[in-house]
Amino acid sequence: QKEVEQDPGPLSVPEGAIVSLNCTYSNSAFQYFMWYRQYSRKGPELLMYTYSSGNKEDGRFTAQVDKSSKYISLFIRDSQPSDSATYLCAMSVAGNQFYFGTGTSLTVIP
Amino acid sequence: GAVVSQHPSRVICKSGTSVKIECRSLDFQATTMFWYRQFPKQSLMLMATSNEGSKATYEQGVEKDKFLINHASLTLSTLTVTSAHPEDSSFYICSARVRGPGNTIYFGEGSWLTVV
Repeated sequence: QKEVEQDPGPLSVPEGAIVSLNCTYSNSAFQYFMWYRQYSRKGPELLMYTYSSGNKEDGRFTAQVDKSSKYISLFIRDSQPSDSATYLCAMSVAGNQFYFGTGTSLTVIP
Repeated sequence: GAVVSQHPSRVICKSGTSVKIECRSLDFQATTMFWYRQFPKQSLMLMATSNEGSKATYEQGVEKDKFLINHASLTLSTLTVTSAHPEDSSFYICSARVRGPGNTIYFGEGSWLTVV
């Protein structure tokens, strides 16, 4: 069983839609959770960082962590064509090793 | 957020030659840097973890003599692909860990290596 599972998609939504991206994990010791956005042929860009459980909001982005279910989510409101990218979840126990999902490819159609 | 610079962004080299990729943390000290390889439409594959002042820790299956990693200072790590072959052509990305309450990592822009 992989440490982190992420549906690769592809996911295609119309502009303005709410996007939900998810990852599940098996290691209950994970306490640092991150979402990265990666455009084609570029390095990943940190979008959201969450420590332990709870929600975090930044503009159109909301990250949720449910440690009891070992499930994390990233919501994108009012999605824009510029949000079209691959979204990677990542997590860590203590910041020494980071485990990544395979990435979900998102296309927002104008 | 913290800035990690990677250079060169693209490099073409002849088969059998060596090429060096630099990864710099511009506004913070990075005691730990990571090197990844990414194939098209695939996720990141961790190659090695680099700690300042010590030898890198390589992942299983990664040839340490072929992929030389040096982390000589708190802001610079280098990856040298030695005796490059066409199968080494790939997208190489570094990341650097930010210490403190954040305990997260920031990525460089990546380097496209083409071996001809």
